[in-house]
Amino acid sequence: TQLLEQSPQFLSIQEGENLTVYCNSSSVFSSLQWYRQEPGEGPVLLVTVVTGGEVKKLKRLTFQFGDARKDSSLHITAAQPGDTGLYLCAANAGNNRKLIWGLGTSLAVNP
Amino acid sequence: KAGVTQTPRYLIKTRGQQVTLSCSPISGHRSVSWYQQTPGQGLQFLFEYFSETQRNKGNFPGRFSGRQFSNSRSEMNVSTLELGDSALYLCASSLAQVPGAGYTFGSGTRLTVV
Repeated sequence: TQLLEQSPQFLSIQEGENLTVYCNSSSVFSSLQWYRQEPGEGPVLLVTVVTGGEVKKLKRLTFQFGDARKDSSLHITAAQPGDTGLYLCAANAGNNRKLIWGLGTSLAVNP
Repeated sequence: KAGVTQTPRYLIKTRGQQVTLSCSPISGHRSVSWYQQTPGQGLQFLFEYFSETQRNKGNFPGRFSGRQFSNSRSEMNVSTLELGDSALYLCASSLAQVPGAGYTFGSGTRLTVV
C-alpha cells in the first residue's frame, strides 16, 4: 500500500516564526500537490510540483519536490494567523488516476 | 466563475436511513470525484466520474453509490446509514481526467448519523 506520511502532525507557533512541514514516501510519484484546508471548508490547491528537485514559491510559501520525487517539503516564512489550517499533500503515482493523500499537518499560528 | 457547489451543507440522519448528496462542478469541468474525510482516516477516495461514466472506485461498500448527469452534475447516495458514515463528504472537480491537474473542492456536506 502506498502511503504518504506527513510530519509533524500538529504544529503551534507564534506569528513571525518560520516553519517547515514534510511529506514523505518510499514510492516515486509523477506529481505531488499541496492543499490547505480551513475548518468547515474543502481543501484549496496551493501548488503542483512535477519535476525532481523543483522549487516553487508562492509569496511566503516555498515548496520543494525531492530529487527522487519521493518526498516534498513546504516552508513558510514569517507565519501569519491567516496561515492557520490543515496542510495536505497528495501524490499521483502515475499508474492509475487515483491520488494518494497524507493525513495532513494541522498548523496553528498564534497572534 | 462559480466554484464547486455542494448541497446540502449540513445533514443529520438516523441509522438505517438513506441520503443523497449533490455536487455541481465548475462549468466546463467534466471530471468529478467524491471523498470522505474523517479525522482519523483523512481523505478517503469514494469514486470518480468522467462524462457520466464511473472511471475509478475506492474501497467502500456497495451502500455507497454515485452517478453523473449529462451536465456533469453528480450525486452520491448512501443507503442503510451507519454511525461510522458520519463524516465530511467532499466533491472535487477538475478539467481533465488527470489527477496531477489538481482539484477544485467544494465546501463539503457535513453528514451526522445518529
